[in-house]
Amino acid sequence: GAGVSQSPRYKVTKRGQDVTLRCDPISSHATLYWYQQALGQGPEFLTYFNYEAQPDKSGLPSDRFSAERPEGSISTLTIQRTEQRDSAMYRCASSLDRGSNEQFFGPGTRLTVL
Amino acid sequence: DAKTTQPPSMDCAEGRAANLPCNHSTISGNEYVYWYRQIHSQGPQYIIHGLKNNETNEMASLIITEDRKSSTLILPHATLRDTAVYYCIVYNQGGKLIFGQGTELSVKP
Repeated sequence: GAGVSQSPRYKVTKRGQDVTLRCDPISSHATLYWYQQALGQGPEFLTYFNYEAQPDKSGLPSDRFSAERPEGSISTLTIQRTEQRDSAMYRCASSLDRGSNEQFFGPGTRLTVL
Repeated sequence: DAKTTQPPSMDCAEGRAANLPCNHSTISGNEYVYWYRQIHSQGPQYIIHGLKNNETNEMASLIITEDRKSSTLILPHATLRDTAVYYCIVYNQGGKLIFGQGTELSVKP
């Protein structure tokens, strides 16, 4: 595709509900990253994939957070039993490969947990 | 934790050069200096990167000190559209970018 796309762009949910966010990376890109960005802060790394492998998930804040990329292209980030502190912008990025210089970021999904 | 220190904010007059400093005194030999910027609510955008030599591209120049403990991003002729948060990142090309607080640059007419 022309760029990284994410859906939905906005998600409002009630505390305790599960949510799933989707990322479509640039089609030729092997590596995909998830970041969480609180208001007024820089993005914080959550996890990344190299094709379908997930070498690093050290940034996931709790076991309520999980990510998948089963076929090495589209990825989902799932937050179970959401809490108000999960409210943030969730950004996906992709790069040609793990050693690439540039990560291309998507527009993000704004999650609000009431 | 971010390995860089940047001023929280800077102002620049439109048409003048914007010089954004960054300290990275603990940088190791295989780590690069990367700059990204984030305009309003958009996703971060790559600007430039370097290891030890000065670098220039169509967006900016990057000056890295000889001891590599600090660097300066230069936007030679700032425009109003350059108003953004600029992030200096030390990166070993191993995957994750660690963003700090960045510098909020305001370009004023």
